[in-house]
Amino acid sequence: SAVISQKPSRDICQRGTSLTIQCQVDSQVTMMFWYRQQPGQSLTLIATANQGSEATYESGFVIDKFPISRPNLTFSTLTVSNMSPEDSSIYLCSVLGLRDEKLFFGSGTQLSVL
Amino acid sequence: GEDVEQSLFLSVREGDSSVINCTYTDSSSTYLYWYKQEPGAGLQLLTYIFSNMDMKQDQRLTVLLNKKDKHLSLRIADTQTGDSAIYFCADGDTGRRALTFGSGTRLQVQP
Repeated sequence: SAVISQKPSRDICQRGTSLTIQCQVDSQVTMMFWYRQQPGQSLTLIATANQGSEATYESGFVIDKFPISRPNLTFSTLTVSNMSPEDSSIYLCSVLGLRDEKLFFGSGTQLSVL
Repeated sequence: GEDVEQSLFLSVREGDSSVINCTYTDSSSTYLYWYKQEPGAGLQLLTYIFSNMDMKQDQRLTVLLNKKDKHLSLRIADTQTGDSAIYFCADGDTGRRALTFGSGTRLQVQP
């Protein structure tokens, strides 16, 4: 299975600031995704991180608010921009393995916005 | 759009079997997953089943798939207190690759 390192693991941020979350995988993977889990809720897909091109965003999520980079096959970042308390959530990086259809998750970033 | 539904809560006694149920609507789903989330942690992949299978067993875990009814279940035999967590069902298709998650079932194991 892929080993995913996500950081920071948690942060407390001020309203109006931005936070960049990093996701590093120990092996090459086909696809990388970013999910959000709001308090007490299920996971919602934010976007698919595409290597070398713009991410593919789901309905309700836009690039200006959640810019994503994926410079190579093993690394991606998600930025939460101009944060408000409504952005307080767990943000999870996930990857699809090269060999099979298993989707693995990082340990998540617990974000609190004051 | 796609929808995945689960019951919100299940309570069992230690040593009993737990059965967590899930229904999905996407007929093109090619694989279905069960994930476990403990408090403050990420998601741990427990098991998965391809849509051309109707059962998969992995130690204490048994997954049953009724493709006709679009119903998936996870049975945990000899449930332990360490099994207390939220269990998410998710489905995916080869075209989209990302998963659609259910709302999660909180399993509480009473000693």
